[in-house]
Amino acid sequence: AQKITQTQPGMFVQEKEAVTLDCTYDTSDPSYGLFWYKQPSSGEMIFLIYQGSYDQQNATEGRYSLNFQKARKSANLVISASQLGDSAMYFCAMRDASGGYQKVTFGTGTKLQVIP
Amino acid sequence: DTEVTQTPKHLVMGMTNKKSLKCEQHMGHRAMYWYKQKAKKPPELMFVYSYEKLSINESVPSRFSPECPNSSLLNLHLHALQPEDSALYLCASSSSTLAGNEQFFGPGTRLTVL
Repeated sequence: AQKITQTQPGMFVQEKEAVTLDCTYDTSDPSYGLFWYKQPSSGEMIFLIYQGSYDQQNATEGRYSLNFQKARKSANLVISASQLGDSAMYFCAMRDASGGYQKVTFGTGTKLQVIP
Repeated sequence: DTEVTQTPKHLVMGMTNKKSLKCEQHMGHRAMYWYKQKAKKPPELMFVYSYEKLSINESVPSRFSPECPNSSLLNLHLHALQPEDSALYLCASSSSTLAGNEQFFGPGTRLTVL
């Protein structure tokens, strides 16, 4: 079974609108970390936001927020007020006890395109 | 300094060549990683170094040889590669391997094997 599932291969959003990128995960460990990364066409992976399994509140970082629903094992990324520079590949990732927390498992990614 | 640097940015090599990729960080991180990424795919973990010791090798062929000379530096030595090894090679570091430690990535080396 996939540990991280991103069901949207591609998404379009109008500039200045909000967009939600979906991510579901699978782990039996009580302690885990969830991450979102952005990868522009240049190739560099940019860390966006982190949510810990024990965190009571949803994480927010500027225009990025994480809609964490623990019972549903989902960790969707919300980007508010989209900008042209947000066009990129977005990866959801998880670090859990498998491999002693040394491995980070990535989803297959969602390609976001912001339309002017 | 919150940057991971990688050199070279681009590398073209023949199947009989020996080359090395270099990765450096000065954030005091004690975990460093090598990933291979093919186009339109997520990064695939190759190696993990924790406190300068190799802790994970994801069954990578021996033509890839990692080295961690000190806590700031990570190398990947390449020898007798195949065309299918052409990919983006990403280096990352994190303060440790706790659940909440995010990885910081370098810009990558785009490798082409002829």
